[in-house]
Amino acid sequence: GENVEQHPSTLSVQEGDSAVIKCTYSDSASNYFPWYKQELGKRPQLIIDIRSNVGEKKDQRIAVTLNKTAKHFSLHITETQPEDSAVYFCAALSGSARQLTFGSGTQLTVLP
Amino acid sequence: KAGVTQTPRYLIKTRGQQVTLSCSPISGHRSVSWYQQTPGQGLQFLFEYFSETQRNKGNFPGRFSGRQFSNSRSEMNVSTLELGDSALYLCASSLDWTPWTAYEQYFGPGTRLTVT
Repeated sequence: GENVEQHPSTLSVQEGDSAVIKCTYSDSASNYFPWYKQELGKRPQLIIDIRSNVGEKKDQRIAVTLNKTAKHFSLHITETQPEDSAVYFCAALSGSARQLTFGSGTQLTVLP
Repeated sequence: KAGVTQTPRYLIKTRGQQVTLSCSPISGHRSVSWYQQTPGQGLQFLFEYFSETQRNKGNFPGRFSGRQFSNSRSEMNVSTLELGDSALYLCASSLDWTPWTAYEQYFGPGTRLTVT
């Protein structure tokens, strides 16, 4: 089945700096890659997603890039703010199994 | 539109008991997926329901089961509870389901299950 690896597990940045979180996946048939933000005690919130026919997608301060050849995708957050502090999860939808497989999460801390 | 709702929010059960959790999807959404979230294993897929039929199942024992009603509301049941079943159980709803199209999934707040 699909396997998703996410790095780093923790990331601290200064307010205003950029943050990058990277994920790799194993199933070359995976075709949908969402990112979720989960604040402490709250539900995972979909923040951005990308499909396999697109290489990059941007929404204000967040962007996601996808490299199908290398089977990796990344989340980029620019001009970070303290409210960006949360756990971020990447996921991949397997083309064959049709289920979302999640990465292990990245705890992002934005220091004021 | 109201978001995904789950009841109850918190539950304490004893080993060997069974439990039923409920999920109401976003109005108009017809697919419901269930996930288990634990500190050690992260977010793991349990199963997905669409049109009252289980479309996909994750790697969990048969003690975990679910169903979906004609109004798209879904329930999951865990029988013969074990200590290791303590977790946050999340459901997510999506607009539709096809074998070839991915639809965005929106999560509910979860049910925190503690097994003692």
